[in-house]
Amino acid sequence: DGGITQSPKYLFRKEGQNVTLSCEQNLNHDAMYWYRQDPGQGLRLIYYSQIVNDFQKGDIAEGYSVSREKKESFPLTVTSAQKNPTAFYLCASSMREWDEQFFGPGTRLTVL
Amino acid sequence: AQSVTQLDSQVPVFEEAPVELRCNYSSSVSVYLFWYVQYPNQGLQLLLKYLSGSTLVKGINGFEAEFNKSQTSFHLRKPSVHISDTAEYFCAVSDRNGGFKTIFGAGTRLFVKA
Repeated sequence: DGGITQSPKYLFRKEGQNVTLSCEQNLNHDAMYWYRQDPGQGLRLIYYSQIVNDFQKGDIAEGYSVSREKKESFPLTVTSAQKNPTAFYLCASSMREWDEQFFGPGTRLTVL
Repeated sequence: AQSVTQLDSQVPVFEEAPVELRCNYSSSVSVYLFWYVQYPNQGLQLLLKYLSGSTLVKGINGFEAEFNKSQTSFHLRKPSVHISDTAEYFCAVSDRNGGFKTIFGAGTRLFVKA
């Protein structure tokens, strides 16, 4: 089955640690996205990538970093510079940048 | 810049009653419109989309939406809801002026009561 996988489903981090969230897709999509979801705030775009080895900052990129070395993979690193990282993180992909997005199941990150 | 407004943050409704979830957007130039549903602790899944053609779009689970260019609206409707429709619903828009970046609304929580 084609789709997007995210791991882990739940992640706990101590303050001051970097953590990396995994996102893999086998849909052969060029575009991939990372969103942060907080209660009552909808989805906010962190980073997106339209092609391998290229990515752009979204609306809330500070404290996050990404890489796109392979078409299938778009990992997100939450750095210690992110002041309030506790949130639900969603990865998505699309065939074309204006078309429907396919979402992964999400990773819930909690900072202890 | 494009913006999306979902006019109701929460909509309570009784089972088998009709429901309308409202969505307005700011720019009408070459827009593409989407509705997504999110069940608790899951990712979003597409309900329906409007790219071109007929302004009445039918989606999964009995939902439909109507694109109204003059009112810049894309309201979601279902004639009879089920308990299982309880979820959060997101309207999304992408347009040429915004470089086709997709903008999501803040979401509407639909709560279906028995």
